Amino acid sequence: SQQGEEDPQALSIQEGENATMNCSYKTSINNLQWYRQNSGRGLVHLILIRSNEREKHSGRLRVTLDTSKKSSSLLITASRAADTASYFCARPLSGGYNKLIFGAGTRLAVHP
Amino acid sequence: NAGVTQTPKFRVLKTGQSMTLLCAQDMNHEYMYWYRQDPGMGLRLIHYSVGEGTTAKGEVPDGYNVSRLKKQNFLLGLESAAPSQTSVYFCASSSGLGEQFFGPGTRLTVL
Repeated sequence: SQQGEEDPQALSIQEGENATMNCSYKTSINNLQWYRQNSGRGLVHLILIRSNEREKHSGRLRVTLDTSKKSSSLLITASRAADTASYFCARPLSGGYNKLIFGAGTRLAVHP
Repeated sequence: NAGVTQTPKFRVLKTGQSMTLLCAQDMNHEYMYWYRQDPGMGLRLIHYSVGEGTTAKGEVPDGYNVSRLKKQNFLLGLESAAPSQTSVYFCASSSGLGEQFFGPGTRLTVL
């Protein structure tokens, strides 16, 4: 399978704590994206990091990319109950046209 | 802007029945995609389109057909539904610059 691996599969934390999710992949990429999915809803784009970037921030989100290790991480700082969702990394599928291949996701539960 | 919309939201079919899922986007995107999401798995690409009148196969195209007669619409058809096609189906669109915009999904059950 070309799908990447995400870990952990599930993560349970208290409000205010930080949450870190990891994504690994096998082939070279030119970018990697992270998406959030609330229960029963569609995916929402969070952040895109390009292969020449090592770190990117967006609000309480920090994404890192290590192309030598073929891995990325998503850090959510000072988590809130509203951050409860599944988080997916996605990388371009071969053949262009912005096709994406998604990992299986990390289910994050943030408890008040 | 409505973004990406999908109809219907839910559907139950019997094995062998056919149906069409409709996806519409109002962002003037060239690229559109159909994915399926099964429990514990990420999304898998069924078919995609890079412009009006074009379609192409993704990772798991068998049992599905698609059409893109208008730029804003992308239809996914199941000619003879099978229980293995029970899934949540998501449509997405993109300008090609990276981010994909997703619809709310269609939950399909095939009995």
